Formats: sequence, C-alpha cells, structure tokens
Amino acid sequence: SSELTQDPAVSVALGQTVRITCQGDSLRNHYATWYQQKPGQAPLLVIYAKNNRPSGIPDRFSGSSSGNTASLTITGAQAEDEADYYCNSRDSSGNHLVFGGGTKLTVL
Amino acid sequence: QVQLQESGPGLVKPSETLSLTCTVSGASISSYYWSCIRQPPEKGLEWIGYIHHSGSAYYNPSLKSRVSISIDTLKNQFSLMLHSVTAADTAVYYCARLGVGGIGGYYYYYMDVWGKGTTVTVSS
Repeated sequence: SSELTQDPAVSVALGQTVRITCQGDSLRNHYATWYQQKPGQAPLLVIYAKNNRPSGIPDRFSGSSSGNTASLTITGAQAEDEADYYCNSRDSSGNHLVFGGGTKLTVL
Repeated sequence: QVQLQESGPGLVKPSETLSLTCTVSGASISSYYWSCIRQPPEKGLEWIGYIHHSGSAYYNPSLKSRVSISIDTLKNQFSLMLHSVTAADTAVYYCARLGVGGIGGYYYYYMDVWGKGTTVTVSS
C-alpha cells in the first residue's frame, strides 16, 4: 500500500480551478513533487520543491503544502490538462521514494 | 538537451532476470542521481530504485531482495536487474534523472528528465 494517498478521480469545468491533494506523514518533513501523465506518454514534472515549476510548465500550475498534505492547484484548467497526476516524495522510513496512487483529472 | 533511452528485452520468461539499460546523452552521468520507475498496465507509477554516480543505491523495500542498479560512468549508462520475475513484473519501465535538494530542513526529490519507457512482458 502507498504511503501517499490521493483521490482516484477529480473533475473540473473548463476554465475553473481545481485542487488535487496528496496526504502522507512524510510530507511533514519532505516536499511533494508532482507529475502529469497523459495516455501513452512518460510522466512530466510539473511542480517540485513545494512550488517550483520547470521551464515550459504554465503558471496556472502551482503547489502548496500544509502539515501532512500537499496540493497541486490548476487555476483556469484547460482541456489539455486532462491527465493523471501523481505525487511523489521521500517515504517516512529512509532514503526511499514513494508515489501516490494517482488522480485522474477530467476537464468537463 | 539531456535525453534518456531505455533498452530492454521486451519479453522475459518467468523466473528469469530482467535486464534494462538506460543510456544518458547530453549530460554526464557523473552528476545527479539516476532512477528507475515502472508502471504495470492500467496501474500507477512504482518507484524501483535510484543510484548515485558514486555507486550508492537505494531500492524499494518491496523489491529489494530481487533488484540491483549499477552504473557505468565510461559508457554513460546505468542498468537495472530484476531477478526471479513473475507476471506481476510486467510493466512499462522508465529511467529518469533524479535531482535532490533541500530548503529550510525540508528535502525534495524530483525526476525532471524521463526516457520514453520500454514495455517488458513476463510470459513463457
């Protein structure tokens, strides 16, 4: 079982704001990293170090963290944002990484 | 531009060893950490392990008894070996560059460059 918990599915109306969450004890000491994955493609890094975006990632993507919960917010969701989103962090027991189970985002 | 390319067997028989090589281009492997991830059909991502250019490696506890990752700095490659495979090891296997940092006591890990992935099927 994953040490990071995500809602399996979330939906958002086109142009609206959506928050995708990730919960886990390790998030009290380690920042979550967020990846976007579209069908048939490799994951794409969208947020790291709490709220840093790699070059090329639109600024509608942002990250935040509070206690044991990390969040990925998409402000003004676009059709192309429909994808699976995974959080990832170090686990609570050592130098190991763990992924959340993933959230399927549907843009309506 | 940094690129990673996985190369693997495609098909492995049960109980045999899966061998996967990741070739790094556009950067020296003697920087960063390097990670292996897999994704079974219709399932989520699973971290397998990562290795530093010094040779230090860390593995998913659920796979630790069967997995090893090695690095060849001369060839700019790193390799995954997974022993005693079963059908449950059927997946797309990815290689990725792993960055590590810290801010105010918080650590963070990020995989910013990924290979396209290679499908490995375990079947007789």
